[in-house]
Amino acid sequence: GAVVSQHPSRVICKSGTSVKIECRSLDFQATTMFWYRQFPKQSLMLMATSNEGSKATYEQGVEKDKFLINHASLTLSTLTVTSAHPEDSSFYICSAGEENLATQYFGPGTRLTVL
Amino acid sequence: EDQVTQSPEALRLQEGESSSLNCSYTVSGLRGLFWYRQDPGKGPEFLFTLYSAGEEKEKERLKATLTKKESFLHITAPKPEDSATYLCAAGYNAGNMLTFGGGTRLMVKP
Repeated sequence: GAVVSQHPSRVICKSGTSVKIECRSLDFQATTMFWYRQFPKQSLMLMATSNEGSKATYEQGVEKDKFLINHASLTLSTLTVTSAHPEDSSFYICSAGEENLATQYFGPGTRLTVL
Repeated sequence: EDQVTQSPEALRLQEGESSSLNCSYTVSGLRGLFWYRQDPGKGPEFLFTLYSAGEEKEKERLKATLTKKESFLHITAPKPEDSATYLCAAGYNAGNMLTFGGGTRLMVKP
């Protein structure tokens, strides 16, 4: 199956700082990537859909100025959590799918802890 | 409203005790029904995609089936290493978006 990587796998930061998370599709081109957030013992919640070369589409309730998404190429999308606060601590997961195929492949996730 | 519901929320099995996980969906324009396995602290691992009612797919001890309203993930003679959270998701016409169920946490005891 297709491989999606994320970096970093874990990050601890101080309140008020910004954190960037990278998502890469390693062996295929992804015109669309997705960013999810997952709280302990809960399912995945879609945050935004990232399209290469255009603005991301955010789900209701997700602050676009706080969670900046850039999809600069067909293999890379980044999520920047700006001015992070403890309530932003969570597990962030990206996914990507090949064009015209419905299957999404997920990255290994990034554990963000804001102190 | 598009909705995906999984049951049970948690399932404890003895090694070798076969069972089934349920995924009910109400999604207009279903493009595919997906099953993933998620281990703690990791991203979901793709298992199966089912596209039409009556379709079945197998992988080792797992078998996924699909009807017009639900999907089942059958686990035959499970082993402790099958312990994980199993997620189902429905893909619908709005691009490649997925709606996830709440997951079933499976625990297989030796």
